[in-house]
Amino acid sequence: DAGVIQSPRHEVTEMGQEVTLRCKPISGHNSLFWYRQTMMRGLELLIYFNNNVPIDDSGMPEDRFSAKMPNASFSTLKIQPSEPRDSAVYFCACTPQLGSFEQYFGPGTRLTVT
Amino acid sequence: SQQGEEDPQALSIQEGENATMNCSYKTSINNLQWYRQNSGRGLVHLILIRSNEREKHSGRLRVTLDTSKKSSSLLITASRAADTASYFCATPSNGRDDKIIFGKGTRLHILP
Repeated sequence: DAGVIQSPRHEVTEMGQEVTLRCKPISGHNSLFWYRQTMMRGLELLIYFNNNVPIDDSGMPEDRFSAKMPNASFSTLKIQPSEPRDSAVYFCACTPQLGSFEQYFGPGTRLTVT
Repeated sequence: SQQGEEDPQALSIQEGENATMNCSYKTSINNLQWYRQNSGRGLVHLILIRSNEREKHSGRLRVTLDTSKKSSSLLITASRAADTASYFCATPSNGRDDKIIFGKGTRLHILP
């Protein structure tokens, strides 16, 4: 298995533009998590899904952020419109099922909003 | 909100020495995990310790848990250059095993 796949690996965009980050979890892993990492705030959980259904989106910072999981093998995190303070590394992680403890992380997408 | 808090924030030691990192948390937990993050990469799970365990080993890693003090430590013995990374503890959020909260990590640098 290739592990968790995220794309793009790097994204540079201008303020106001829409940004879409993509994640393909490990096959058979039914729970998917989106995190954001910054020096100031550390690693923050944004939202997580179980069996493609959003369970907790209380970490989503604003309405500008939205996430979907249309099927078991694909999820997106969208920021519209983007702002400079959204600059961070965004990680996708997965587990076989909720409560499985060990999370498998993707390599992350480094987002820079100018 | 942060549940676990690592100490120290940064640590530099000579190759071959032992490295100890600590994690303190605020509320009762039933398990605690440690992760490693190499520069520019995602986090990798190292070890999980349950609340009824006091110590756990995995290769050169030794983790302890003191639930009375609400603290855990990660010891890396005979450190190597490849151990240079950030180390994070993670605890369940508000007693929910499906949602974990990460600390801000300890940056470990192994000097040649």
